[in-house]
Amino acid sequence: NAGVTQTPKFRVLKTGQSMTLLCAQDMNHEYMYWYRQDPGMGLRLIHYSVGEGTTAKGEVPDGYNVSRLKKQNFLLGLESAAPSQTSVYFCASSWTSGGIFPDTQYFGPGTRLTVL
Amino acid sequence: AQSVTQLDSQVPVFEEAPVELRCNYSSSVSVYLFWYVQYPNQGLQLLLKYLSGSTLVKGINGFEAEFNKSQTSFHLRKPSVHISDTAEYFCAVKKGGSEKLVFGKGTKLTVNP
Repeated sequence: NAGVTQTPKFRVLKTGQSMTLLCAQDMNHEYMYWYRQDPGMGLRLIHYSVGEGTTAKGEVPDGYNVSRLKKQNFLLGLESAAPSQTSVYFCASSWTSGGIFPDTQYFGPGTRLTVL
Repeated sequence: AQSVTQLDSQVPVFEEAPVELRCNYSSSVSVYLFWYVQYPNQGLQLLLKYLSGSTLVKGINGFEAEFNKSQTSFHLRKPSVHISDTAEYFCAVKKGGSEKLVFGKGTKLTVNP
């Protein structure tokens, strides 16, 4: 049981390049999330998904796209990277969300992205 | 929109001293409160959570937090810290019915020998 894994762990891009970050979970969770973490800013939600085939915008969605074609995977894409997207990206998943008893979000180890 | 304020960005303490990390949230009809810990170069892991019931919540590694509805606070405490508690701590809130977790900006706890 690997939990939540993220690929790659590190990446350096040049401005204008594109890339995809992969998040995978083996806990059969319905909900998945992408966050970015910047110094002094905490974690900010980029996009999230409440089930296979669904996605929704979070707090800071501009410049990113996502897809959830399979329940266990959640992809985050940068079509044209900018220096402002230099950050540490975390994926998380949970069994349920909202409702009366929200469940815990489980986090991956993060991807450190630098855009030059 | 929900917001979370962590009043201290950095807290230095000596080993075996008590510590309190403060967290206040904006009021809502019903909220669920969480504390996460992030050790250097790692992801976040749950320390404890308040969903309902007793306002004193005990978590892992000897931490506890108290939900105070009248003061809209959820402060984290530990009676005696260890060097290994050095990490960044995040308070988070989820409004009932929402899919989203809102995080505070974090408090860096440094435990010195």
